[in-house]
Amino acid sequence: ELKVEQNPLFLSMQEGKNYTIYCNYSTTSDRLYWYRQDPGKSLESLFVLLSNGAVKQEGRLMASLDTKARLSTLHITAAVHDLSATYFCAVLQGAQKLVFGQGTRLTINP
Amino acid sequence: DAGVTQSPTHLIKTRGQQVTLRCSPISGHKSVSWYQQVLGQGPQFIFQYYEKEERGRGNFPDRFSARQFPNYSSELNVNALLLGDSALYLCASTRTGAAYEQYFGPGTRLTVT
Repeated sequence: ELKVEQNPLFLSMQEGKNYTIYCNYSTTSDRLYWYRQDPGKSLESLFVLLSNGAVKQEGRLMASLDTKARLSTLHITAAVHDLSATYFCAVLQGAQKLVFGQGTRLTINP
Repeated sequence: DAGVTQSPTHLIKTRGQQVTLRCSPISGHKSVSWYQQVLGQGPQFIFQYYEKEERGRGNFPDRFSARQFPNYSSELNVNALLLGDSALYLCASTRTGAAYEQYFGPGTRLTVT
């Protein structure tokens, strides 16, 4: 059974700092997704990573995928308060379902 | 184009009752998936439908059922509600292709008392 683990689960950081969220998964998959969720809201798609070595960047967020290590990272550069949210990675299992990690609750303090 | 829509937004039910949740996918998307998100956890896959056929089922009891209509909208039904069914129910509309990206609706918040 595919398992997806994120760490850390909770992250409190100061504005202007850099940090990385890690997403490990247990079985082979070539599609990995990152989502953002604000409190009480739905999931907003951030990145779709389709191949080994894929790197995507949007503003202060950059995601990468290493399929051999079964690892994806979400790097935050010079964090700002607006990035406070819960971030989920998800891995596609078969052709049907996304298996999500537990989420990383990110709080960015002024 | 409109995004994924879900109704109702919020719902309060009593244990033992039945509930129906509705979802309309993005225009042109033929696949709909349902997920349950309990507070503080990641979403859990319940069902996927494609062209009105069930293509996948998660580890949920038979109290959960779903269907997809000719216009690709979908309903999720939950019978004999339990307190543990309280959650955010998310519908996702899938664009087929290499990315197989799923777009999530706003969700239905179900509270069972």
